[in-house]
Amino acid sequence: DAKTTQPPSMDCAEGRAANLPCNHSTISGNEYVYWYRQIHSQGPQYIIHGLKNNETNEMASLIITEDRKSSTLILPHATLRDTAVYYCIVRPPRGYGGSQGNLIFGKGTKLSVKP
Amino acid sequence: DAGVTQSPTHLIKTRGQQVTLRCSPKSGHDTVSWYQQALGQGPQFIFQYYEEEERQRGNFPDRFSGHQFPNYSSELNVNALLLGDSALYLCASSVGSFTDTQYFGPGTRLTVL
Repeated sequence: DAKTTQPPSMDCAEGRAANLPCNHSTISGNEYVYWYRQIHSQGPQYIIHGLKNNETNEMASLIITEDRKSSTLILPHATLRDTAVYYCIVRPPRGYGGSQGNLIFGKGTKLSVKP
Repeated sequence: DAGVTQSPTHLIKTRGQQVTLRCSPKSGHDTVSWYQQALGQGPQFIFQYYEEEERQRGNFPDRFSGHQFPNYSSELNVNALLLGDSALYLCASSVGSFTDTQYFGPGTRLTVL
């Protein structure tokens, strides 16, 4: 089961910042927070990830609370092309058998950016 | 630099048939993971291949099997297809056995009639 809780849907006005929340109250100290998005019927697109510190890249910023029990993905200037389902994922550092930690997806947040 | 590619794009099969889906990882990547995404749901992990071996498996029956080739490409095979196997099948590639960002392909849409 997914270890995260996200609102099922959110709206955002074009040009404004979109702030997508995620709760992960049972996160372990060595688990990462990953964000992906999926535009209708396409493969998920990687956005950003972090462990403890806030992170920023050309797509978004990730703010992780000090207790690591929640995080917020920020799209600074949302456009219509940012309309998608956004997935927040808690990922273990390793799987078993020498494998990577796999991604456990929930249902995500459907973000609708409106003109 | 080509990203992750998958073939075919769409596929229609009937119940009881067998299907093979293919994935070529991103250049420089050696680990391939497969996911199944039913309509309206998030992707579900099927299995992961590294060094030509299945390293980790999700909660999927033995009808789902895979293979990784020396060039790191991978196949997903599903036998005795059921209507419930209709889904978008996604391949993701990454590097090594340590946690590394997985990059997804466009997927193969499988319809079972």
